[in-house]
Amino acid sequence: ILNVEQSPQSLHVQEGDSTNFTCSFPSSNFYALHWYRWETAKSPEALFVMTLNGDEKKKGRISATLNTKEGYSYLYIKGSQPEDSATYLCAFSGSARQLTFGSGTQLTVLP
Amino acid sequence: NAGVTQTPKFRVLKTGQSMTLLCAQDMNHEYMYWYRQDPGMGLRLIHYSVGEGTTAKGEVPDGYNVSRLKKQNFLLGLESAAPSQTSVYFCASSYIAGGGNYGYTFGSGTRLTVV
Repeated sequence: ILNVEQSPQSLHVQEGDSTNFTCSFPSSNFYALHWYRWETAKSPEALFVMTLNGDEKKKGRISATLNTKEGYSYLYIKGSQPEDSATYLCAFSGSARQLTFGSGTQLTVLP
Repeated sequence: NAGVTQTPKFRVLKTGQSMTLLCAQDMNHEYMYWYRQDPGMGLRLIHYSVGEGTTAKGEVPDGYNVSRLKKQNFLLGLESAAPSQTSVYFCASSYIAGGGNYGYTFGSGTRLTVV
């Protein structure tokens, strides 16, 4: 069983703050690293799929970086807004091409 | 474009009862997956399918069976429900293995309670 860990488990920030969280994954047999945004009572939606060491992806105020050699990815949110409140999941895909999910970081942005 | 549709959305079962969860996708995806989500844990893969007529076990397959008779449908069955199967079940699909550049598309989930 692959170990995908996310930290912190939960996070409260004030509106306008910038924040970041971490996903750790196995550094061997790497294929891809996914980030999903999961709002309460909705289904997870893909934010980024990252495949190359050093990849940086950006979508609006949200960006992500990838280090496959050391097995971590960071997700950054600049100028957090209440609508950014959600659980952010990362998922590791190895040589078997199956996704193993972390338990998520629950972000609450306070107005 | 409906994407991935799961039915039912909620269900309460008594221990020992059986039921089938239906997942339907209209994106012509080859790969389909069933996950369960429990508090404090990540999504865990129950079974998956790499194409019509094929299924395979995931991380937590015990107590579940699946079928993929049509490309667009992936059924998850509980033959004799147990309280340990109380969970939220998510179906997902992808065009290629591992999600390619677009990731997985998820359904909205089925909340199952076994009493």
